[in-house]
Amino acid sequence: LAKTTQPISMDSYEGQEVNITCSHNNIATNDYITWYQQFPSQGPRFIIQGYKTKVTNEVASLFIPADRKSSTLSLPRVSLSDTAVYYCLVGDFMNTGFQKLVFGTGTRLLVSP
Amino acid sequence: DAGVIQSPRHEVTEMGQEVTLRCKPISGHDYLFWYRQTMMRGLELLIYFNNNVPIDDSGMPEDRFSAKMPNASFSTLKIQPSEPRDSAVYFCASSESGGTRRTEAFFGQGTRLTVV
Repeated sequence: LAKTTQPISMDSYEGQEVNITCSHNNIATNDYITWYQQFPSQGPRFIIQGYKTKVTNEVASLFIPADRKSSTLSLPRVSLSDTAVYYCLVGDFMNTGFQKLVFGTGTRLLVSP
Repeated sequence: DAGVIQSPRHEVTEMGQEVTLRCKPISGHDYLFWYRQTMMRGLELLIYFNNNVPIDDSGMPEDRFSAKMPNASFSTLKIQPSEPRDSAVYFCASSESGGTRRTEAFFGQGTRLTVV
């Protein structure tokens, strides 16, 4: 499994855009990049997944450069409720099409008023 | 569907006692994961099953830990004997494989285990 590196923590204010970058220099050809969000006292929740270029959904955008050695999770106009830990996961699909989910230390985002 | 259901939500036990954590995955999901979370070690994958068969148990810390999945709708994680260092939040998660190539695991609310 490719090792990932993220900032331990980030601070932001309400209404700002937050970009969290994850480094995964040893990403393999078949690896996908997945981001999860975890609120206190809850299990992680899937946010977004991508392979290359840009993916956008109702929650966030994921930017992946051509070399795929890093990725950036972008949260537009954060609110206090976006305070959480954000995990970047990289892994390959097994033959049955599923990804073994191994979580790193994550990035603790604190959004202030 | 009610999501992944774990029981109990909280468990306090004495060192040396047997502890059994239970999980009901989302119906139709063929993957089931057990995780442990502590402040020191973060979120650790202990074991996962595919179609009720254990695929990778390399994360199980030691022989005191065992996990079973007797059928598609139920799994247990057992610790015998329990030790104070086993105190953590244990999460169960489930997911389905398929042709979409999208990986989304759904987590339960967790069981907070305290061993005194």
